[in-house]
Amino acid sequence: KAGVTQTPRYLIKTRGQQVTLSCSPISGHRSVSWYQQTPGQGLQFLFEYFSETQRNKGNFPGRFSGRQFSNSRSEMNVSTLELGDSALYLCASSLQQRNTEAFFGQGTRLTVV
Amino acid sequence: KNEVEQSPQNLTAQEGEFITINCSYSVGISALHWLQQHPGGGIVSLFMLSSGKKKHGRLIATINIQEKHSSLHITASHPRDSAVYICAVLPYSGGGADGLTFGKGTHLIIQP
Repeated sequence: KAGVTQTPRYLIKTRGQQVTLSCSPISGHRSVSWYQQTPGQGLQFLFEYFSETQRNKGNFPGRFSGRQFSNSRSEMNVSTLELGDSALYLCASSLQQRNTEAFFGQGTRLTVV
Repeated sequence: KNEVEQSPQNLTAQEGEFITINCSYSVGISALHWLQQHPGGGIVSLFMLSSGKKKHGRLIATINIQEKHSSLHITASHPRDSAVYICAVLPYSGGGADGLTFGKGTHLIIQP
């Protein structure tokens, strides 16, 4: 059974650009959550999608957005990149929303220069 | 505001020692997760708890809902247990506004 796949693994972007990250959940999982990890703030919740709808959203600016497709694959987009957006972005998939075990991908390491 | 505190922040122990990592949180929760993160970033979910105790191999996790406290124990520790251990809590659903809130992690090093 394939795990959670995130692409790309590494990315370098310039300030002001935008970026799209992809997450393919475990087959059959309908919930995908996104997290940002930085040395200063640790892990922080970005948003959760279930059945193509955003169900929860963390405390991040509107530059951070996402969507989920009918096959449960999810993308997150960050527009007008800032140096502080440099981080490891992790996604996790779950069978259902809330109170179910989460399986994490390897993450996408984004560097903004 | 939901806060998750872990202790200790750093822990170095000898192979074979019994390890305990603690997690305290401030709000009512639906579930608590213990996660393991190795260098390179990948995160593995170790346990999800809403009450009582769970055991998997040499790992044991307990939770006391009344005291808002959980512990992760490692018996017969081994150098391959060296990693960052992260506690995360899922608050009670209050209109769907919250996802997991994470502790800062405990950096564990097991020396041979």
